[in-house]
Amino acid sequence: GNSVTQMEGPVTLSEEAFLTINCTYTATGYPSLFWYVQYPGEGLQLLLKATKADDKGSNKGFEATYRKETTSFHLEKGSVQVSDSAVYFCALTNSGNTPLVFGKGTRLSVIA
Amino acid sequence: EAGVTQSPTHLIKTRGQQATLRCSPISGHTSVYWYQQALGLGLQFLLWYDEGEERNRGNFPPRFSGRQFPNYSSELNVNALELEDSALYLCASSAGQGSYGYTFGSGTRLTVV
Repeated sequence: GNSVTQMEGPVTLSEEAFLTINCTYTATGYPSLFWYVQYPGEGLQLLLKATKADDKGSNKGFEATYRKETTSFHLEKGSVQVSDSAVYFCALTNSGNTPLVFGKGTRLSVIA
Repeated sequence: EAGVTQSPTHLIKTRGQQATLRCSPISGHTSVYWYQQALGLGLQFLLWYDEGEERNRGNFPPRFSGRQFPNYSSELNVNALELEDSALYLCASSAGQGSYGYTFGSGTRLTVV
């Protein structure tokens, strides 16, 4: 079945550091890939998505590229801020007719 | 536009009791998804309702059930509560089958004592 594997957290960075959160997946066919973010006490918000190989999703300075050859969708940001502290979830779906499958989440803490 | 609303925010129940959680989707959304977020386990898919029908079910025992009403709001029922049912239950809605855009509510924190 479909599955998503994320790097274990927590990840602690200083402000303005470079961020990478690794995500790899197992799926049949050509899934669509997503990153969601969960701020403390809130639900999940869609951060970015990519629906086909080599697509790059981007939002709020975050980027992720759909790499079919390595089945990966790593999240990156060049300069993190304290306000980026949250839990980040990688997710996939094979189609809009199947529910999203999520990774376990990676907690990011950014210190000033 | 109102987002996805869930009630109650917090719920404390005793082992063996039943819990009912509610979700109102975004206006115009016909699909509702329920996820369980237990500590350290990420989001586990529970149930998906669309147009009043159950479309898909995750790997959970039958004591987890639900329904969707004609106005597309939804209810999740958990019977015979166990301690390990303590978790954050998240509801999401989308515009229906074929839609990738999920909008999540803030969740109901269920504590079983």
